[in-house]
Amino acid sequence: QKEVEQDPGPLSVPEGAIVSLNCTYSNSAFQYFMWYRQYSRKGPELLMYTYSSGNKEDGRFTAQVDKSSKYISLFIRDSQPSDSATYLCAMSGRQGAQKLVFGQGTRLTINP
Amino acid sequence: DVKVTQSSRYLVKRTGEKVFLECVQDMDHENMFWYRQDPGLGLRLIYFSYDVKMKEKGDIPEGYSVSREKKERFSLILESASTNQTSMYLCATLRGNQPQHFGDGTRLSIL
Repeated sequence: QKEVEQDPGPLSVPEGAIVSLNCTYSNSAFQYFMWYRQYSRKGPELLMYTYSSGNKEDGRFTAQVDKSSKYISLFIRDSQPSDSATYLCAMSGRQGAQKLVFGQGTRLTINP
Repeated sequence: DVKVTQSSRYLVKRTGEKVFLECVQDMDHENMFWYRQDPGLGLRLIYFSYDVKMKEKGDIPEGYSVSREKKERFSLILESASTNQTSMYLCATLRGNQPQHFGDGTRLSIL
């Protein structure tokens, strides 16, 4: 079993829809959770960075962590075609950790 | 903003060649990383360096070596390239308690 599981998709939704992307993990020591967005032929860019359980909001994006269920989510409201990308979750046991554990990535397409 | 620059976006080499991938950062970050990214396998850590001339193996170091002679530059070396090393290679940096920042990657094809 992988330490971090992420549905690779692909996921295709119409413009304006609410998108939910998810990862589950098995290591209860993970405390820092990241979402990266990767456009085609580009490197991953950090989208959200959260610590422990709870929600964090940034514009149309909300990151949610449920440590009791070992489950993290990224919600995108009012999705735009420019949100079409691969979304990677990543996590670590401490802040600034040198070793991150990544999910496989979910490829998302927003259709105009 | 952190700038992580990988010298080549696309590279085509032949089996058996010695291949050098270069990564340069402009923000004085202590840590630098090399990953490869393959469909269905996600990102896998090859090597990382936490200081000049220091290196640590990641999860898949076989067939690779690294060099860090200056703080801003981290090189990945494929000693004798093989077709199974065809992949997207990503460099990342890290300072203190911040998350890792990535370059745009080098898509390497070994023929």
